[in-house]
Amino acid sequence: GEDVEQSLFLSVREGDSSVINCTYTDSSSTYLYWYKQEPGAGLQLLTYIFSNMDMKQDQRLTVLLNKKDKHLSLRIADTQTGDSAIYFCAESSLSGTYKYIFGTGTRLKVLA
Amino acid sequence: DGGITQSPKYLFRKEGQNVTLSCEQNLNHDAMYWYRQDPGQGLRLIYYSQIVNDFQKGDIAEGYSVSREKKESFPLTVTSAQKNPTAFYLCASWRQGFNEQFFGPGTRLTVL
Repeated sequence: GEDVEQSLFLSVREGDSSVINCTYTDSSSTYLYWYKQEPGAGLQLLTYIFSNMDMKQDQRLTVLLNKKDKHLSLRIADTQTGDSAIYFCAESSLSGTYKYIFGTGTRLKVLA
Repeated sequence: DGGITQSPKYLFRKEGQNVTLSCEQNLNHDAMYWYRQDPGQGLRLIYYSQIVNDFQKGDIAEGYSVSREKKESFPLTVTSAQKNPTAFYLCASWRQGFNEQFFGPGTRLTVL
């Protein structure tokens, strides 16, 4: 079945760039998403990319998609302490079930 | 403001009791979802509903039940058959044509 995998932890220093990686298995994925979850809260959509795109940039966020390797990454430039959170990768397809498949989440810790 | 509300934020249950978690949305979204979040396991889909009076089991439906009598409401009942119910529960909604699942703030359920 479909699967989305992420590493569990990432630690970076304030001001550095963070790169969070994700791999997925569903070749029919149409959209790939990055969500952010702050402690004790729901998920907030950061950005998404359509599967026919290679890259998307939105202010400090850069999403790279390697469809051949089924690899997605999120780069956060100039990482701040407020970026400390759990980041989830998710994928969906136009299969009609409206289901998203979420990864395990990567906990980003930003050190001052 | 449009959004998703979940109540209560914290819920304590004794073993053997059924409890119902509330989820309401005023976004006029068609589809609604319930996820369970455990540390290091990401989000797992419990149930989802694409239209009123219809719902489907997700990956971990055993021990849970739902209803969808109104478009805006999708309550989740955690029954005594759920052997390990302590977790963070997230409700989400989605509308065709929009590339985002919107999430509520979550309910933390603890079994005493």
